[in-house]
Parts: sequence; C-alpha cells; structure tokens
Amino acid sequence: SQQGEEDPQALSIQEGENATMNCSYKTSINNLQWYRQNSGRGLVHLILIRSNEREKHSGRLRVTLDTSKKSSSLLITASRAADTASYFCATDITQGGSEKLVFGKGMKLTVNP
Amino acid sequence: EPEVTQTPSHQVTQMGQEVILRCVPISNHLYFYWYRQILGQKVEFLVSFYNNEISEKSEIFDDQFSVERPDGSNFTLKIRSTKLEDSAMYFCASSEEGVAGYTFGSGTRLTVV
Repeated sequence: SQQGEEDPQALSIQEGENATMNCSYKTSINNLQWYRQNSGRGLVHLILIRSNEREKHSGRLRVTLDTSKKSSSLLITASRAADTASYFCATDITQGGSEKLVFGKGMKLTVNP
Repeated sequence: EPEVTQTPSHQVTQMGQEVILRCVPISNHLYFYWYRQILGQKVEFLVSFYNNEISEKSEIFDDQFSVERPDGSNFTLKIRSTKLEDSAMYFCASSEEGVAGYTFGSGTRLTVV
C-alpha cells in the first residue's frame, strides 16, 4: 500500500449514520492529519494526531492512531448532508532533514439526506 | 482567523507560456509549501521553503519550477514554460512550526491549453 492510503475509497451513507474512514501508512511519522475537500475546492484541516497520541476528539470527529499497525481511523458521528466531501489522511514525515506531508488518494463520502 | 491567500483563483494559459502563482502566507509563519493536485488525483508535495531557501523539493519540481519570496510577504511559484500536464490545482500552505499546524490556501486552478 502507498504511504497514506484511505479505505474505503468511497462511502455512501444516510444522514444520521456514522462514517468511518481508515488510513494506512508505511513509514515512521511525526503526526497524522486529516483534511477535507469539497469538490474542486481547497483543503480544510480537520484534526491532527501526534505519534504519541492514541485518540483525539474534535466535535463530531474522533481520530485514532495505532502506530504499531501504522493505521489511523477517522469517525464522523451523526453525519449530515453537509459532510459530503472527499477526506484525505496526510502523514507528516521527516525525510532528508526536512518535514513534509504525504497525502493519501482520498475517500469520497456521500451523505444522503 | 488568519488565512493563506492565493491569487488568481483560476488561470488559463497557453502551452509554453510562463505563469506565476501568488500566495500570501500567514504573517508570522516561517515555513512555506507548494502542493499540487491533478484533477481527481491525490495531493502531491512540490517544494518546501524556509529561511529564504528551498528545504526540499520533489521530483516533480524540475528546472521549469522556481519559488521566490520577493518581498517578505508574498510567496510565488513560477512555471517557466508550461506543459499540458501542468494543469492542476496548486495549493500554497504555511506553518509556524514546521508541518504541524499547516494552513492551506484555497488554491489556484491552472489550465494549460
């Protein structure tokens, strides 16, 4: 799998249901971040979880990180139609002495009203 | 809330022409980045910039690309001779303390015809 690969690649749910997205990566990370992108628009930072953290909450978002399995999950509870967007995980890695974000391919979430 | 501003939002250019994409990072941020996203594909790292020099660049960032911080507030990406495959959304980002805490701009959609 690639660094920062989301699973599933597309998810369609009904409003009110929970949505879970998974991300796997290969190399050591400094932190992992989740972003949201509405179609054709910019990237919105959702949440950051550091490599020494296991779980983090922000409103309806819950992120977990398992560094032993090199995986993370993003849970959106009580989804709304406005949550329809693409979601990306991005791993912050240090390579050659400098840091950068490596993005996954993204997961398209559709929340049906 | 402070924003990263990118101009123009959309640029159409003829193949072979030079383009300059402009970004105004958040004023107290020290680290600057350019990423690009070809339509329907993942966000790819292009270059990072710190202390008035390139920290790291990807293999995409070849001799046709250059970055500059000409006046202490703007951060520009220049493509000297555009190709059709340069058509993409280009995102600028800045951060205060390295990659943790990125703020992305809303992007410039570059269309090369």
